[in-house]
Amino acid sequence: VLTQSSSASASLGSSVKLTCTLSSWHSNYIISWHQQQPGKAPRYLMSLEASGSYNKGSGVSGRFSGSSSGADRFLTISNLQFEDEADYYCETWDRDTRRDAFGGGTKLTVL
Amino acid sequence: EVQLVESGGGLVKPGGSLRLSCEASGFIFNTHSMNWVRQAPGKGLEWVSAISYDSTYIYYGDAVKGRFTISRDNAKSSLYLQMNDLRAEDTAVYYCARAFIVSTGTFVDYWGQGTLVTVSS
Repeated sequence: VLTQSSSASASLGSSVKLTCTLSSWHSNYIISWHQQQPGKAPRYLMSLEASGSYNKGSGVSGRFSGSSSGADRFLTISNLQFEDEADYYCETWDRDTRRDAFGGGTKLTVL
Repeated sequence: EVQLVESGGGLVKPGGSLRLSCEASGFIFNTHSMNWVRQAPGKGLEWVSAISYDSTYIYYGDAVKGRFTISRDNAKSSLYLQMNDLRAEDTAVYYCARAFIVSTGTFVDYWGQGTLVTVSS
């Protein structure tokens, strides 16, 4: 249902755009993005609609934003900080199979 | 402030049982569906089970169907996961996660801190 690249890297202070691709028959689904720093529980970042409209969780930095294009859902992190080094997961409820689904996660390295 | 606090994890032998609990606070518990999600060591997130706000609808992942039972007590703002016939591959951190429903779908919007379950002889 959800496909993510396994890894990404970018330099300190730059921007990075992570991608979560929905299967074509789920291309209108809302998803959520979650950050998991090493050794910690996941943290909800935002929900992201097919329209590109997003709603961030409480306390999420303004450096995080979302956008969409077709079946792709993007998470953009600007002005990268070392604390952004983490695993990022996308997630949605599949109402056809009545199961929740997670992408495989993208491990972000800040250089 | 929304809080989800899991408990009940520990070391159990293969074939054994364990009951996890998740105590919720900071929101109206009986208006939200809830999930259990697990993460094996070094692996990604895996959905385990979900329960609707009133327990009418219950769903399980294939890996745990027939062995695990999700339940909730809205009077106690608590979620449970009864795990039977545990296997080594059930070793993971188990997270309680709140579901948020909007017109365009459903997603997780809060997580607990997790409780570790280790299945080993």
